[in-house]
Amino acid sequence: SQQGEEDPQALSIQEGENATMNCSYKTSINNLQWYRQNSGRGLVHLILIRSNEREKHSGRLRVTLDTSKKSSSLLITASRAADTASYFCATDAGVYGGSQGNLIFGKGTKLSVKP
Amino acid sequence: EAGVTQSPTHLIKTRGQQATLRCSPISGHTSVYWYQQALGLGLQFLLWYDEGEERNRGNFPPRFSGRQFPNYSSELNVNALELEDSALYLCASSAGTSAFFGQGTRLTVV
Repeated sequence: SQQGEEDPQALSIQEGENATMNCSYKTSINNLQWYRQNSGRGLVHLILIRSNEREKHSGRLRVTLDTSKKSSSLLITASRAADTASYFCATDAGVYGGSQGNLIFGKGTKLSVKP
Repeated sequence: EAGVTQSPTHLIKTRGQQATLRCSPISGHTSVYWYQQALGLGLQFLLWYDEGEERNRGNFPPRFSGRQFPNYSSELNVNALELEDSALYLCASSAGTSAFFGQGTRLTVV
């Protein structure tokens, strides 16, 4: 079953605009991660935010986490056509004997950045 | 350093046949995860192997099985293929928190 649910399902913006994607999850987590997928190929890890963090930055990416609302957002600033991809949030399924456990992914947001 | 590699890239099988998909993790990673991504859908967790043992399994029938070898590479086997098994199968490896994905095997069942 899905743990994370992203919204919107699809987002279309112009180059230079900011893109905001949201993710909600159901159970308590150790961390939340965002991944990117180009054209149905492998996923690329973008950023990880731990449950005791509220905000994290990486280049043009900004992630926030609100554990009280069980939600996270990914902001891509000054978007480029090359940012066109699907973006997924993922939460850990729990800790198994010290191991990370498998990640549970949402259905993703399909971002289209028009030049 | 080589990333996660999956083979084959594409696989076409007939309904009822068996498919075997392979994954080589990043050197030093002991955990391997398998996911199914049907067209237009999110990733569904299939299996997690760590140190040669199956650690967790997603909500899939027993005809989806796999194993992890002593060198930490892994195989996913799908028996009695059904049309609905057509999907992109992604393998990921991890040494901690973040997962590193291969490019996937696109399985088509006809």
